[in-house]
Amino acid sequence: AQSVTQPDIHITVSEGASLELRCNYSYGATPYLFWYVQSPGQGLQLLLKYFSGDTLVQGIKGFEAEFKRSQSSFNLRKPSVHWSDAAEYFCAVGRGTSYDKVIFGPGTSLSVIP
Amino acid sequence: NAGVTQTPKFQVLKTGQSMTLQCAQDMNHEYMSWYRQDPGMGLRLIHYSVGAGITDQGEVPNGYNVSRSTTEDFPLRLLSAAPSQTSVYFCASSYSRRQGKNTEAFFGQGTRLTVV
Repeated sequence: AQSVTQPDIHITVSEGASLELRCNYSYGATPYLFWYVQSPGQGLQLLLKYFSGDTLVQGIKGFEAEFKRSQSSFNLRKPSVHWSDAAEYFCAVGRGTSYDKVIFGPGTSLSVIP
Repeated sequence: NAGVTQTPKFQVLKTGQSMTLQCAQDMNHEYMSWYRQDPGMGLRLIHYSVGAGITDQGEVPNGYNVSRSTTEDFPLRLLSAAPSQTSVYFCASSYSRRQGKNTEAFFGQGTRLTVV
């Protein structure tokens, strides 16, 4: 069965600092991978997705993620964090196509210090 | 562009009451799903549907029913509410494998349900 782990429950960074959020998945074949962001009281917004091809994926709001098959990882990065990036971040994995039971990780809560 | 619309946004139920959470999408997505979100547990899949007349169970289906009579609508029914069902519920939709388009899931704004 597929699963997703996000080792960091909560991360605090200073505004302007770089950010890396970790995501590891378990799935037997090539997964479809997603990062979503959720601001307080809001729904989920897609930051970026990996289906195939280039393993470095660019997303919205200056985020990027790199798929590393050998490490079963899909870490999210941003070179310079803004105060508005404070939110909950979810990594998700799908099997084969977007419809096939997308499973979410537990989430990482990001706080940004001015 | 309405996207995915969930109603109501907030609901308080007494233990044992039943209710239906509504979800509608206008993007012609065949695939629709319901998740519940609880602190520290991310989103867990309750039920999903790959088209009208077809539904299946996700990770945590007990206590919930779904039906899919049209492509647009995918209501979630709580048969006899329990305090353990206090949660935030999200509906999502996306294209299906049959529709041949790879896209991500689009989410509604959520329904915050409290069972007392």
